[in-house]
Amino acid sequence: NAGVTQTPKFQVLKTGQSMTLQCAQDMNHNSMYWYRQDPGMGLRLIYYSASEGTTDKGEVPNGYNVSRLNKREFSLRLESAAPSQTSVYFCASSPLAGVYNEQFFGPGTRLTVL
Amino acid sequence: GENVEQHPSTLSVQEGDSAVIKCTYSDSASNYFPWYKQELGKRPQLIIDIRSNVGEKKDQRIAVTLNKTAKHFSLHITETQPEDSAVYFCAAVIGGSNYKLTFGKGTLLTVNP
Repeated sequence: NAGVTQTPKFQVLKTGQSMTLQCAQDMNHNSMYWYRQDPGMGLRLIYYSASEGTTDKGEVPNGYNVSRLNKREFSLRLESAAPSQTSVYFCASSPLAGVYNEQFFGPGTRLTVL
Repeated sequence: GENVEQHPSTLSVQEGDSAVIKCTYSDSASNYFPWYKQELGKRPQLIIDIRSNVGEKKDQRIAVTLNKTAKHFSLHITETQPEDSAVYFCAAVIGGSNYKLTFGKGTLLTVNP
């Protein structure tokens, strides 16, 4: 099992460009999450999907959209990138709905917006 | 707003010593408190968690204690080893949502050989 995979690993965008970060898990998990990690800020939840077919906002959703394409895949889209979105993005999944079980993280995507 | 505060931000210990990291939270309804470890350049991984009906939990050299009255919980690592060097994040369920974890800002632990 590959676990949680993310593509791309690195990306550089210009202000105003759009892109989609891809995330997939092969563990048959129900819930999936997108976090961003900035220096000295910990992990902040952008969006989550409690189960296939549902998505909800997290702590910092502005400027992002998500799609739970199927049970395996959860993508994050930046429609018009801004320098403030420079960050490391982590996707995570958990077996059960809700946070009361382990979240398994992907390797991360390092995004730079110029 | 509701948050989780983590201290210290950096901690340096000698190999074999103990390390303690403390977190405080604001939401008295919080009932789940995981700790994640992130090695340099790697992904976060769960190392231990505790629920509010338990005051302490141990797993080999790692233990977590919870004081619900004071609204704080701590990670204790005994007999530290160089491979314990990493950033440690505490987290709590805040604001009554079953789907949102709020993370502390992290503690960089360095274990010197």
